[in-house]
Amino acid sequence: SQKIEQNSEALNIQEGKTATLTCNYTNYSPAYLQWYRQDPGRGPVFLLLIRENEKEKRKERLKVTFDTTLKQSLFHITASQPADSATYLCACFSSGSARQLTFGSGTQLTVLP
Amino acid sequence: NAGVTQTPKFQVLKTGQSMTLQCAQDMNHEYMSWYRQDPGMGLRLIHYSVGAGITDQGEVPNGYNVSRSTTEDFPLRLLSAAPSQTSVYFCASSFISPGSSSYEQYFGPGTRLTVT
Repeated sequence: SQKIEQNSEALNIQEGKTATLTCNYTNYSPAYLQWYRQDPGRGPVFLLLIRENEKEKRKERLKVTFDTTLKQSLFHITASQPADSATYLCACFSSGSARQLTFGSGTQLTVLP
Repeated sequence: NAGVTQTPKFQVLKTGQSMTLQCAQDMNHEYMSWYRQDPGMGLRLIHYSVGAGITDQGEVPNGYNVSRSTTEDFPLRLLSAAPSQTSVYFCASSFISPGSSSYEQYFGPGTRLTVT
């Protein structure tokens, strides 16, 4: 079955460093991959989308890469701040089924001051 | 715009009771969906709709019904609540038209349901 794995349940890093989160997928060829941020007690908030024909996408301090050979996406937050502490979710969907997002279980990031 | 609204925020049910979780959006989105979120499991799709009158099952549809009579509303019905349905439920909506380039999902604040 299709599976999305975020291989770190929790990640602690020091303020100012770059946080790197990983999303791997199996039995799947997603056309699109999205990243969301979720704060405690709230719904996820969309951050970025990257398409299968894009290697990299940037938005301010955020960078996402998409490697279809490795079946992996990396999500980077540069110059991290305590306010970046949250759970980050990746989600994929295929071009034939843009209606069915499959989510990973998330990585809880804590940025230590 | 209020975005995506969900009611109630919290609910406690006894096993066997039924209830409806409400979801509404004011962004004229075609696509609406329901997810449940359990610890360590991520978000799992229950049901979704691509427009009024059209619904389909997601990954975990058993025990839940939906209908979509208007673009704005997408209620989720629990037919006979079970302890396994204790979870946080999120409603989401988005555009799916060709002009939408990100398929960004807008999520509601969630409903925390406990079934005893």
